Amino acid sequence: DQQVKQNSPSLSVQEGRISILNCDYTNSMFDYFLWYKKYPAEGPTFLISISSIKDKNEDGRFTVFLNKSAKHLSLHIVPSQPGDSAVYFCAASGLNTNAGKSTFGDGTTLTVKP
Amino acid sequence: NAGVMQNPRHLVRRRGQEARLRCSPMKGHSHVYWYRQLPEEGLKFMVYLQKENIIDESGMPKERFSAEFPKEGPSILRIQQVVRGDSAAYFCASAQLAGDQETQYFGPGTRLLVL
Repeated sequence: DQQVKQNSPSLSVQEGRISILNCDYTNSMFDYFLWYKKYPAEGPTFLISISSIKDKNEDGRFTVFLNKSAKHLSLHIVPSQPGDSAVYFCAASGLNTNAGKSTFGDGTTLTVKP
Repeated sequence: NAGVMQNPRHLVRRRGQEARLRCSPMKGHSHVYWYRQLPEEGLKFMVYLQKENIIDESGMPKERFSAEFPKEGPSILRIQQVVRGDSAAYFCASAQLAGDQETQYFGPGTRLLVL
């Protein structure tokens, strides 16, 4: 039973446009969500996070939106740049229970075309 | 300040052999997490260790897999009698504080191939 789902394995956008990556979760105990970016042959790097007490968190070109009632979050990248091309993982954890252990989705491969 | 180091980066083993994967956390980090990534899938939590203690091994298979994080030296993930299904990328992450994923840094991974 996959608790964190990224239903789009891939996404292709034009440089300068908005990229929207989606993530759904099923475990209502999750209260902290993260997005990671991963290049080939490297480990994931932390991008942005959001706790369940918020519905939006913004950091430069990256914004994460959380809809708790729908158990859905999304990552918006605007404007998209070719260097954003990577695999993006959504991850979730319980702040008070899991001490840093995360449940990951399967990832979405983003390609930004020049 | 070196990042999280993992070695070897690539490891080839025949079925039945042992695989030893090493993770050196960032300086000052005493929390280590191991994850496994099967092809086309996300990372799956395996085990969380602090120095000399296994805190959470709920994601680790009950047989053939073991992990340690000694007082001195790197954390070791050991897989005995490897099978083809063990072929995957194994990532470790380290953190200074428990539960602080924003400062949890991942290593580059070890890619294990079992022939």
